[in-house]
Amino acid sequence: DVKVTQSSRYLVKRTGEKVFLECVQDMDHENMFWYRQDPGLGLRLIYFSYDVKMKEKGDIPEGYSVSREKKERFSLILESASTNQTSMYLCASGNPDSSTDTQYFGPGTRLTVL
Amino acid sequence: RKEVEQDPGPFNVPEGATVAFNCTYSNSASQSFFWYRQDCRKEPKLLMSVYSSGNEDGRFTAQLNRASQYISLLIRDSKLSDSATYLCVVNGDSGYSTLTFGKGTMLLVSP
Repeated sequence: DVKVTQSSRYLVKRTGEKVFLECVQDMDHENMFWYRQDPGLGLRLIYFSYDVKMKEKGDIPEGYSVSREKKERFSLILESASTNQTSMYLCASGNPDSSTDTQYFGPGTRLTVL
Repeated sequence: RKEVEQDPGPFNVPEGATVAFNCTYSNSASQSFFWYRQDCRKEPKLLMSVYSSGNEDGRFTAQLNRASQYISLLIRDSKLSDSATYLCVVNGDSGYSTLTFGKGTMLLVSP
């Protein structure tokens, strides 16, 4: 079974703090993704990575950065957290394959910024 | 902006009922199609892929109409445990195996 783990299930931070969310996958997947999910807005792609040290902006990259130093690990960084970044953050991984493109999700981190 | 549109519901059905969800997608170049299931406060999980010829997995049947850019999911003999949000998903246009998710359709199955 594919396993994607995230460093925290719940996190509370203060405005202006630097926040690190970590994601690890154990299936040797090439691609990793960070999404946020908000009521009424669905899942929105923040950043993704298709290889070590490679990153691409998704639909809503503003206020976020990412790091992929190792294949199995993909970190999301909020340089200076703001209240509008309160959300559920979901990490996913998958392999590039034009016939499947399936992604597997971690359990999510519910971040509250006060 | 490529979109995936779904009726948000909720669909309220009794146990044993048959229920159908539909979604439309705007990217005519999409090649991969999926239904994901998401339980309350949990992560999305792959329910099934959707193939051009249609496919069935137990009580679940998925259909794809490329000409109309339309995907459907049929659930027969609904169970209480089918209560969840069902996300329609298509691959994106980035060339990097990104996915575009619909906002989901909520299903509530009652005794």
